[in-house]
Amino acid sequence: GEQVEQRPPHLSVREGDSAVITCTYTDPNSYYFFWYKQEPGASLQLLMKVFSSTEINEGQGFTVLLNKKDKRLSLNLTAAHPGDSAAYFCAVKSTGGNNKLTFGQGTVLSVIP
Amino acid sequence: EAAVTQSPRSKVAVTGGKVTLSCHQTNNHDYMYWYRQDTGHGLRLIHYSYVADSTEKGDIPDGYKASRPSQENFSLILELASLSQTAVYFCASTPGLGSYEQYFGPGTRLTVL
Repeated sequence: GEQVEQRPPHLSVREGDSAVITCTYTDPNSYYFFWYKQEPGASLQLLMKVFSSTEINEGQGFTVLLNKKDKRLSLNLTAAHPGDSAAYFCAVKSTGGNNKLTFGQGTVLSVIP
Repeated sequence: EAAVTQSPRSKVAVTGGKVTLSCHQTNNHDYMYWYRQDTGHGLRLIHYSYVADSTEKGDIPDGYKASRPSQENFSLILELASLSQTAVYFCASTPGLGSYEQYFGPGTRLTVL
């Protein structure tokens, strides 16, 4: 089945700096990709979604890049602020009709004021 | 946005006891899921369901049962709770085939002593 590797597990940056979180996946037929944000003690909130193409989606200070050739998904924070401190999870929908998502292990981002 | 609620929000159970975690969604979604979250493992799928009165095994079903008595309700049952089942449990739902975004409940923190 699909395997998703997310790096780094922890990331600390200063306010205003950029941050990059990367997920690599194994199923070349995967076709839906998501990023979720989980603030401390809270549930997961959908941050962004991207579909089956090399694509850049932007919003809320984030850029998502999908490279299907390399089977790589990345989340770029262009100018981090303390409110971005949270855990971030990628999720991948691969082939199959059961609507299952495979999640990465998560990245805990700390933004230092 | 989908409304997914969970109860209880927190529970302490004794080893060998029975635990039932409940999930309720109000948006008429077909698919419902149970995940557990452990540090360093992200979210792992325990059971899921795509229709009432039917459940499917996820990636880590051992030690867990699930029940979907109606479209709105999905329960996770630990017949004999063990220390290793201490975790945060999340319920999620998604509308159905063609829509893969999962909406998460607030989570239940289970501690088995």
